[in-house]
Amino acid sequence: DSGVTQTPKHLITATGQRVTLRCSPRSGDLSVYWYQQSLDQGLQFLIQYYNGEERAKGNILERFSAQQFPDLHSELNLSSLELGDSALYFCASSAGQGPGEQYFGPGTRLTVT
Amino acid sequence: DQQVKQNSPSLSVQEGRISILNCDYTNSMFDYFLWYKKYPAEGPTFLISISSIKDKNEDGRFTVFLNKSAKHLSLHIVPSQPGDSAVYFCAASAWEAAGNKLTFGGGTRVLVKP
Repeated sequence: DSGVTQTPKHLITATGQRVTLRCSPRSGDLSVYWYQQSLDQGLQFLIQYYNGEERAKGNILERFSAQQFPDLHSELNLSSLELGDSALYFCASSAGQGPGEQYFGPGTRLTVT
Repeated sequence: DQQVKQNSPSLSVQEGRISILNCDYTNSMFDYFLWYKKYPAEGPTFLISISSIKDKNEDGRFTVFLNKSAKHLSLHIVPSQPGDSAVYFCAASAWEAAGNKLTFGGGTRVLVKP
């Protein structure tokens, strides 16, 4: 158990809908990261927040947005969902904002039908 | 453009023998490297890391070697155990003002046979 929690575990929704994925980092960690794992793209970095501020951005679609709240939990919002958004979404956390180990949650499996 | 590559999609090894996983990278700005293990339906689990100022790091049965000139790293697992059967990912990061994103390789599936 990494100490990172993610909800929900599974999510099935229809195209065009909007969903919110939730992540709680390990106790004491200030950075939260979101990654997408799809069959054809592997594990891809989406975005990093550090202590409530956006720190780094990957190839995150404009339909996707994230935020980190004062209690350090984070939410990833996916809107206007398309079939291709079906994937595993992982949250990770780390103590600082620079190089170092990231600890991953169990993931949320999103299926868009 | 794959900046981190694991060219062997799978590896089969006998229990008790050494497993050697390889990883190549192209971005010379990468200065921190990590290995993760992943079981089905679980998130990646951190195994071991190495900074670019070192060429070797050891933790129990796991040793990571870094060859900066060749832009190559490898993970040695010895002795291999059946519980090591999983997908292994190498990852790299570059310290930059904009944070700590990890770039992952495609993974190598390891099967340890009893």
